[in-house]
Amino acid sequence: GQNIDQPTEMTATEGAIVQINCTYQTSGFNGLFWYQQHAGEAPTFLSYNVLDGLEEKGRFSSFLSRSKGYSYLLLKELQMKDSASYLCACMDSNYQLIWGAGTKLIIKP
Amino acid sequence: GAVVSQHPSRVICKSGTSVKIECRSLDFQATTMFWYRQFPKKSLMLMATSNEGSKATYEQGVEKDKFLINHASLTLSTLTVTSAHPEDSSFYICSARGNRDYEQYFGPGTRLTVT
Repeated sequence: GQNIDQPTEMTATEGAIVQINCTYQTSGFNGLFWYQQHAGEAPTFLSYNVLDGLEEKGRFSSFLSRSKGYSYLLLKELQMKDSASYLCACMDSNYQLIWGAGTKLIIKP
Repeated sequence: GAVVSQHPSRVICKSGTSVKIECRSLDFQATTMFWYRQFPKKSLMLMATSNEGSKATYEQGVEKDKFLINHASLTLSTLTVTSAHPEDSSFYICSARGNRDYEQYFGPGTRLTVT
């Protein structure tokens, strides 16, 4: 079956770095997405990886290893506004998104 | 990025009534639109996928006669919750995808409360 795993909750300190991991098993693979979702709001796009390697975009970076079925989202210089849920999603062979349950990130001062 | 609007953002209705939620792609043509439901502290649950001009494809366990989806144009899809019950109360989110882009652009969501 198809499965996306990511930690339920993580806590980090303002100004620090945090890495959110995601492992996946899907029927085919057409890329992996990371979305940020604040409470009561819709998800917003952060990154898309389809090739192995690291994609850097400002304070956020996303890494993919297709052979390992593994990705991570790296957040640097954490700010209080980064407190949110981070959703990992894979696009399968039918170009359908398979969603993880999300990781709630709590930032402490 | 592309913009998707959703209306209404919040709606409260009485049990037994029907509610229509609109999803519009404002600056691109959405060949495919997706309807999601999200319970508190849970991930997105795909309800159905709709392609313009054809019938929606519903996920297993989603009642197509209860959740009516119409994708009449390349910029508009509607979800109608018929004979709503309190257990239908949820956050409903639509997303849209164009021809050239694999990314899904999300609407802001609709909070439905059935009393």
